[in-house]
Amino acid sequence: DAGITQSPRHKVTETGTPVTLRCHQTENHRYMYWYRQDPGHGLRLIHYSYGVKDTDKGEVSDGYSVSRSKTEDFLLTLESATSSQTSVYFCAIQDGHNQPQHFGDGTRLSIL
Amino acid sequence: TQLLEQSPQFLSIQEGENLTVYCNSSSVFSSLQWYRQEPGEGPVLLVTVVTGGEVKKLKRLTFQFGDARKDSSLHITAAQTGDTGLYLCAPRNAGNMLTFGGGTRLMVKP
Repeated sequence: DAGITQSPRHKVTETGTPVTLRCHQTENHRYMYWYRQDPGHGLRLIHYSYGVKDTDKGEVSDGYSVSRSKTEDFLLTLESATSSQTSVYFCAIQDGHNQPQHFGDGTRLSIL
Repeated sequence: TQLLEQSPQFLSIQEGENLTVYCNSSSVFSSLQWYRQEPGEGPVLLVTVVTGGEVKKLKRLTFQFGDARKDSSLHITAAQTGDTGLYLCAPRNAGNMLTFGGGTRLMVKP
């Protein structure tokens, strides 16, 4: 397995609370991505990063923010969680341009 | 907006049967990746195809990229129960971004 660790693996929280998910890699890959996976929608890109402090929005970025202060860590924050953000969140890493992406095992987030 | 369709959405077969799943788009891709995902895990890369008409084999799995680089297929010969999973195609656009299809959920019964 690629050296990708997502934490926590499972979380249940209440509407309106802040939530931060962490993706940690040991591969020193430049690119990192956050996706959400929902039935009927496949994997959709939330935010991505080209390098330290270099991030951009994906297809479904509303309600999410990210930070990358170190190469190895990419954080996804839900400032005020809503029930529509209940999903499985996946982090992916990519070594260089046009290289394949490798995924972590996901975080299952439930917002009640 | 690139439209991406995977078919069939669901497939249930007996062990030993052959099957083909498809990935079609309205756009031309620079490359395409196939992944398999099992419950509770992240997608695992199977193959990347880059050249139009390219065929790649991975044991009993044969991947083909369409000549026009708008479509791809995955053929499994003599399916085994271990092939059960969600198969995802992910073409890459010129901007280095992947788009994921909804996947084909394959169940291989013993």
